[in-house]
Amino acid sequence: AQSVAQPEDQVNVAEGNPLTVKCTYSVSGNPYLFWYVQYPNRGLQFLLKYITGDNLVKGSYGFEAEFNKSQTSFHLKKPSALVSDSALYFCAVRDPYSSASKIIFGSGTRLSIRP
Amino acid sequence: DAGVIQSPRHEVTEMGQEVTLRCKPISGHNSLFWYRQTMMRGLELLIYFNNNVPIDDSGMPEDRFSAKMPNASFSTLKIQPSEPRDSAVYFCASSLVREANEQFFGPGTRLTVL
Repeated sequence: AQSVAQPEDQVNVAEGNPLTVKCTYSVSGNPYLFWYVQYPNRGLQFLLKYITGDNLVKGSYGFEAEFNKSQTSFHLKKPSALVSDSALYFCAVRDPYSSASKIIFGSGTRLSIRP
Repeated sequence: DAGVIQSPRHEVTEMGQEVTLRCKPISGHNSLFWYRQTMMRGLELLIYFNNNVPIDDSGMPEDRFSAKMPNASFSTLKIQPSEPRDSAVYFCASSLVREANEQFFGPGTRLTVL
C-alpha cells in the first residue's frame, strides 16, 4: 500500500538555523511526492512536488526538498529558518491506482521556530 | 483567480440537527475532495469526485454522512443527524486530473456540534 511516514511530531529550530523536516515513503512505481504547509486556522497550501528529474526540488517561501530513492526519503529543508515558518507540515504521495489525483498525506510535523 | 470557496466558515449546531457544508472548486478543476481534520485523527479523506462522479467514498465514517456534486462548480457534504463527535474542521480541495497535479485547499469549515 502507498504510504508516507513523518517520524517527528514536532521539530524545534532557532531562527536563522537550517531546518529539516523528515519524510519517508512507500509506493509502487514512480513516486510523485508533495509537501504542504498549514498555518493556524488555514487550509493546506502546496509548497513543492517531485515528479522526476533533479533530486533537489525548490518550492515556495525558500523551501526545498531532496528526493533520495535509495533511502526512500523526501526531506523538506530550508537553509535559514524564520519565525514565520512555524506551522504544520505535511508530506504526501500520489496514489498511482487512483483515477483522480488522490494523494495520501502523512500525519504531519509541527515546526516551531524560536526567535 | 479565486481559490476554493467553502461556506460557512464556522457552524455551531446542536446534536441531531442537519448540517450542510458547501464547496465551490477552482474553475476548470475536475477532481474534488472532502477531508476532515481533528487533533485525534489528523487529516482524513472522506470522499472524492472525478468529473462530478463519486469515485471513492470509503472514508465516509457513517451513513449519516453524504456528499453530492450536482455540477462542476458545486459540492455539498451533509451530516444528518449530527453528533458531537462530528466536530472537526472540514476541508474541500480541488485539482486538475493529471498524474502529478497538486490539490488546492479551501479555508475549511469549523463545525461544532453541541
